[in-house]
Amino acid sequence: NAGVTQTPKFQVLKTGQSMTLQCAQDMNHEYMSWYRQDPGMGLRLIHYSVGAGITDQGEVPNGYNVSRSTTEDFPLRLLSAAPSQTSVYFCASRLGLPRTYEQYFGPGTRLTVT
Amino acid sequence: AQTVTQSQPEMSVQEAETVTLSCTYDTSENNYYLFWYKQPPSRQMILVIRQEAYKQQNATENRFSVNFQKAAKSFSLKISDSQLGDTAMYFCACQGAQKLVFGQGTRLTINP
Repeated sequence: NAGVTQTPKFQVLKTGQSMTLQCAQDMNHEYMSWYRQDPGMGLRLIHYSVGAGITDQGEVPNGYNVSRSTTEDFPLRLLSAAPSQTSVYFCASRLGLPRTYEQYFGPGTRLTVT
Repeated sequence: AQTVTQSQPEMSVQEAETVTLSCTYDTSENNYYLFWYKQPPSRQMILVIRQEAYKQQNATENRFSVNFQKAAKSFSLKISDSQLGDTAMYFCACQGAQKLVFGQGTRLTINP
């Protein structure tokens, strides 16, 4: 298994540009999530999905959109990038209840907005 | 809603010493899990240890153990015989039915 993969690893955007961060998992996990990590802070939940076709907001959803058309993929879209969205983004997945709660994380995407 | 608090932004110990990282949490859910994750400079999130809230026995994984005090909502991590490779950020996290919430992290440095 490749686990959780994220692309790209690094990205630089100008203010106002849009882009999509890709996330895929090959473990048939129902749950997928997006987090952002700012310097000196823990990971904060942006959006999550409990299965294909179902998404919900986390702690910091503003400025981001998600969709979940397949079990494997969970892309994160930045609609109009702002400098405040400069961060490291992590995608994660896990099995649904009741089997396990352990999350598996991707390697992260470092995004800089100028 | 869940909250997780780590009150020690940084800690530093000598190699081979024992160190304890503190974590307190709050949740309204009855069924939840607690985790400690390690994040080395590579940024990869690595699961260190987990504790099921319904289990009274403290979890252990080799040199890593937890002190889970459910009534006090406390979940500390003890690292015994610390090694240089333990140098990293450590995050405490609480997993409910839907969300995994992280603390702010503790930067641990093991000195030779």
